[in-house]
Amino acid sequence: DAGVTQSPTHLIKTRGQQVTLRCSPISGHKSVSWYQQVLGQGPQFIFQYYEKEERGRGNFPDRFSARQFPNYSSELNVNALLLGDSALYLCASAGGLENEKLFFGSGTQLSVL
Amino acid sequence: RKEVEQDPGPFNVPEGATVAFNCTYSNSASQSFFWYRQDCRKEPKLLMSVYSSGNEDGRFTAQLNRASQYISLLIRDSKLSDSATYLCVVRDPGRRALTFGSGTRLQVQP
Repeated sequence: DAGVTQSPTHLIKTRGQQVTLRCSPISGHKSVSWYQQVLGQGPQFIFQYYEKEERGRGNFPDRFSARQFPNYSSELNVNALLLGDSALYLCASAGGLENEKLFFGSGTQLSVL
Repeated sequence: RKEVEQDPGPFNVPEGATVAFNCTYSNSASQSFFWYRQDCRKEPKLLMSVYSSGNEDGRFTAQLNRASQYISLLIRDSKLSDSATYLCVVRDPGRRALTFGSGTRLQVQP
């Protein structure tokens, strides 16, 4: 079975642009979470979606938004990009809403110039 | 104060050595604890959960001290392949998100 897949793997954008990152969870997993990892830091929680509804939100500005589709895949959107948005964006899937065992995708490396 | 604090290292140890990492957390009500491993430029992977009674998985032993609010990871007989960053992770009650420490880097040398 395929693990968590994310696309694209790398992305270069300029300040002010918008970006959409995509994630497909492990087959059968209904929970998708998004994390941002800045170099030298641990991952920081952005959103959790379960059954297409937002179930948790971290301390990120409204420029960050996400959604989950009927097939449980998910998109993370970031508007009006800032230099500080440069990071590795990780998607994690889990079997259930309270399931603490997360399986991470290999991430999307976003560089904002 | 950070919610989860770790010594960034690096810890440079020879093969076969025993090495221990500690992690402290700020919320005394935290209920779930984990160690994740992250290789350079790769995604984090669950290494082990940490239980109140302590638990062992092969060469790895995890301990939880609720009174002092710290978690430890002990690695015995270090292998070159153990070289990675070890992330301490905590889940607080009422929150579904996991809170990660910044990680401790381990470099095992031949």
